[in-house]
Amino acid sequence: DAGVTQSPTHLIKTRGQQVTLRCSPKSGHDTVSWYQQALGQGPQFIFQYYEEEERQRGNFPDRFSGHQFPNYSSELNVNALLLGDSALYLCASSLMGGAYNTEAFFGQGTRLTVV
Amino acid sequence: GESVGLHLPTLSVQEGDNSIINCAYSNSASDYFIWYKQESGKGPQFIIDIRSNMDKRQGQRVTVLLNKTVKHLSLQIAATQPGDSAVYFCAENRPAGGTSYGKLTFGQGTILTVHP
Repeated sequence: DAGVTQSPTHLIKTRGQQVTLRCSPKSGHDTVSWYQQALGQGPQFIFQYYEEEERQRGNFPDRFSGHQFPNYSSELNVNALLLGDSALYLCASSLMGGAYNTEAFFGQGTRLTVV
Repeated sequence: GESVGLHLPTLSVQEGDNSIINCAYSNSASDYFIWYKQESGKGPQFIIDIRSNMDKRQGQRVTVLLNKTVKHLSLQIAATQPGDSAVYFCAENRPAGGTSYGKLTFGQGTILTVHP
């Protein structure tokens, strides 16, 4: 059973460009959340997708957008890249149910470097 | 503001010792907490979780303690091994009905180094 998979693992982009990161959730999970982790910091919540809709959003500008597909996989898009967008981007999947979202499993992340 | 933070940014222990990593949270509405382990170059790995209707939960070599009175969370690792060396994060998840349902708020992390 594959866990959460993310692609690509590493990416280098130029300031001003656009980037798309991809995530496939753990089998049986229906919810995908994206996090940005700067070096030496804890992950920061970007947004969460469930039933192909953005359900929650953190304090990130509109340059950050996403999508969830019918098979529950998800994409994170970042437009007009800034040097400060350089970070590890993590995808977490979980199962939405009951009063609580279940344990979130994280992927290995995509290391984005903006030059 | 809302935050989940750690008291100690670094912790060094000898192999075989017990380790205790602490975490403070500020949001009294938080009722679900998770500890993650993150090794270099990898994503966070789930260790153990606890809900606010409990004050202690045990796993394999790990115990999480929750003190809601002082909004404090701790992770105890028994017989710490070199393979336990990593960054440990506590994270808070908020209950349904709130505007932050399903959003994990992480602390800065504690670096645990285990010396052979």
